[in-house]
Amino acid sequence: DAGITQSPRHKVTETGTPVTLRCHQTENHRYMYWYRQDPGHGLRLIHYSYGVKDTDKGEVSDGYSVSRSKTEDFLLTLESATSSQTSVYFCATEGLNYGYTFGSGTRLTVV
Amino acid sequence: DAKTTQPTSMDCAEGRAANLPCNHSTISGNEYVYWYRQIHSQGPQYIIHGLKNNETNEMASLIITEDRKSSTLILPHATLRDTAVYYCIVRGIQGAQKLVFGQGTRLTINP
Repeated sequence: DAGITQSPRHKVTETGTPVTLRCHQTENHRYMYWYRQDPGHGLRLIHYSYGVKDTDKGEVSDGYSVSRSKTEDFLLTLESATSSQTSVYFCATEGLNYGYTFGSGTRLTVV
Repeated sequence: DAKTTQPTSMDCAEGRAANLPCNHSTISGNEYVYWYRQIHSQGPQYIIHGLKNNETNEMASLIITEDRKSSTLILPHATLRDTAVYYCIVRGIQGAQKLVFGQGTRLTINP
C-alpha cells in the first residue's frame, strides 16, 4: 500500500546475528504494529507503538525489541536471531475510520 | 477482545454473491466488527467495518444482526481475484486497539 514501506523485503541471516527490520509510513499515523505470520498460527502481534518512544509488548514479544524515535519509522530488532524466528513479518499502521493498513511484508529466513 | 467463529472454508461461483458469516456472540457494546482479507502472501487488506448499522462500500456490504451477535460480509459479484482468506475481527476503537486474528475463512471463487 502506498504510505507504508517495509525493508528489506527478503533477508537470509545466520543464527545468533542481530537483525533489524524497518517499517516506514508517510501518513503520520500514531499507531504502528508489528505482526509475524506462520503456517498454523496465523498473524500474531509482536509489539506495537502508540506514539514516539511509546511502545508495548504483544503476545509473542520474546526475542524481539522495537524502537520508534520518530513518527514515521518503527523498527523491529531480533537481538539474536533463531530458527524459530523464520517467518513473514508484517508492519501495520492505523488511521481514522478505515482500520489498519499493512505493509507488503518481510520474509526472514534464519539459517 | 471478543472472539469470533468463522467457517474454515467456502466456495463460490464467479459472478455470484459470496456471503461470509461470522459469529461474535460475546461482542461488547463498544466493539466494532471489522473485516480484512489476505490474498496469497500479501499483507491483510481492510475491507469494511461497522458497529450496528449495515454498511456498504465499493468492496463489500456488511450486515450485522440486530442483537450484534453475528454478521455477514457480502461480496456482491465475486471474481477470481476475491479468492483469499477473510478475517472477521471485533475490537474497540479507543487507544491502541490491537487486531487479534483468528484462522479466518478461506474463500475460493471458482470459474
